[in-house]
Amino acid sequence: GENVEQHPSTLSVQEGDSAVIKCTYSDSASNYFPWYKQELGKRPQLIIDIRSNVGEKKDQRIAVTLNKTAKHFSLHITETQPEDSAVYFCAAVVSGNTPLVFGKGTRLSVIA
Amino acid sequence: DVKVTQSSRYLVKRTGEKVFLECVQDMDHENMFWYRQDPGLGLRLIYFSYDVKMKEKGDIPEGYSVSREKKERFSLILESASTNQTSMYLCASSDLGREQFFGPGTRLTVL
Repeated sequence: GENVEQHPSTLSVQEGDSAVIKCTYSDSASNYFPWYKQELGKRPQLIIDIRSNVGEKKDQRIAVTLNKTAKHFSLHITETQPEDSAVYFCAAVVSGNTPLVFGKGTRLSVIA
Repeated sequence: DVKVTQSSRYLVKRTGEKVFLECVQDMDHENMFWYRQDPGLGLRLIYFSYDVKMKEKGDIPEGYSVSREKKERFSLILESASTNQTSMYLCASSDLGREQFFGPGTRLTVL
């Protein structure tokens, strides 16, 4: 089955700097890659996702890139702000009757 | 606006008790999921369901069972609670191959 590895497990950046979180997946048939943000004490919420027919997707300060050949995808946050501090989870799935497989999460701390 | 609700935010039970965690979604989603979340271990899938009365084991089903008698409701059952089941439990729902929406979570403590 699918296996998703996520790195780093913790990340500290200065406010205004960029943050990058990387994930690798094992099943080349996976075709949907969402990213979730979980603030302290709250539920995970989708912030951006990408499908395998697209190499990059942007939404304001957030972008996701996908390299199908290498089987990895990354989350990029530019101009980080304190409110970006949270745990971020990547996930991968083969669309169809299978559940998302999540990475173990990255705790991002943005230092003002 | 999608809503996934869970019956309790905090729950304290004793070892050996039977525990029911309820989850309800209002978006007519086919799929529902139960996860447990522990520090450093991420989100681990316990059970999921793609239809009423249908269930599939996830990665860590031991010690748990589920029930889905109605499309909108998915229950997680701890048959005999143990201290190692102290955790945050998250329910989620989705349409096939699309975004999962999570509930607020139930923090369960087993004494």
